[in-house]
Amino acid sequence: DVKVTQSSRYLVKRTGEKVFLECVQDMDHENMFWYRQDPGLGLRLIYFSYDVKMKEKGDIPEGYSVSREKKERFSLILESASTNQTSMYLCASSSGGSSYNEQFFGPGTRLTVL
Amino acid sequence: DQQVKQNSPSLSVQEGRISILNCDYTNSMFDYFLWYKKYPAEGPTFLISISSIKDKNEDGRFTVFLNKSAKHLSLHIVPSQPGDSAVYFCAATRVNTGNQFYFGTGTSLTVIP
Repeated sequence: DVKVTQSSRYLVKRTGEKVFLECVQDMDHENMFWYRQDPGLGLRLIYFSYDVKMKEKGDIPEGYSVSREKKERFSLILESASTNQTSMYLCASSSGGSSYNEQFFGPGTRLTVL
Repeated sequence: DQQVKQNSPSLSVQEGRISILNCDYTNSMFDYFLWYKKYPAEGPTFLISISSIKDKNEDGRFTVFLNKSAKHLSLHIVPSQPGDSAVYFCAATRVNTGNQFYFGTGTSLTVIP
């Protein structure tokens, strides 16, 4: 069974703080993704990675950065958190080699920025 | 620009009846479509998919229909059960995008016992 875990289920931070969201997958997947989910907007892709130390911008990368130092771990960084980054953050992973492979999601981190 | 749209934010259906969830897309290059289901406080889980070379794919109570000319797909759930109450997202992708999915806005389905 594929398992994608996220470091926190709920997080409350203050405006201007640096925030780290961690994601770990245990299936040796090449691809990893960060999304945010907002009411009425669905899931929007922030960043993704095809391999260690590689990253690609998604649809809404502004205000975020990522790090992938090990294959199993993909971190999302909010350099200076703002209230409009209050959201549900979802990490996903998938195996490489095909555009059609199923993405497996973690349980999500509900981030509130005050 | 939203390339995948779900125009109904919510849907209520009686238990035992058919649920029909709709999804429209704008990019004619999309060639593979998926439905994900999401319960509160959980991540989305894969439900069913369809390739653009087909117009129907069935898996138990779930059937996805694809109308390429209309750029429209739908998910049918028959019979609907209370455990089907969740948010459903459709997603689309195409070859050589590196597994990048474009998700719709979601439809919240409530199945009334």
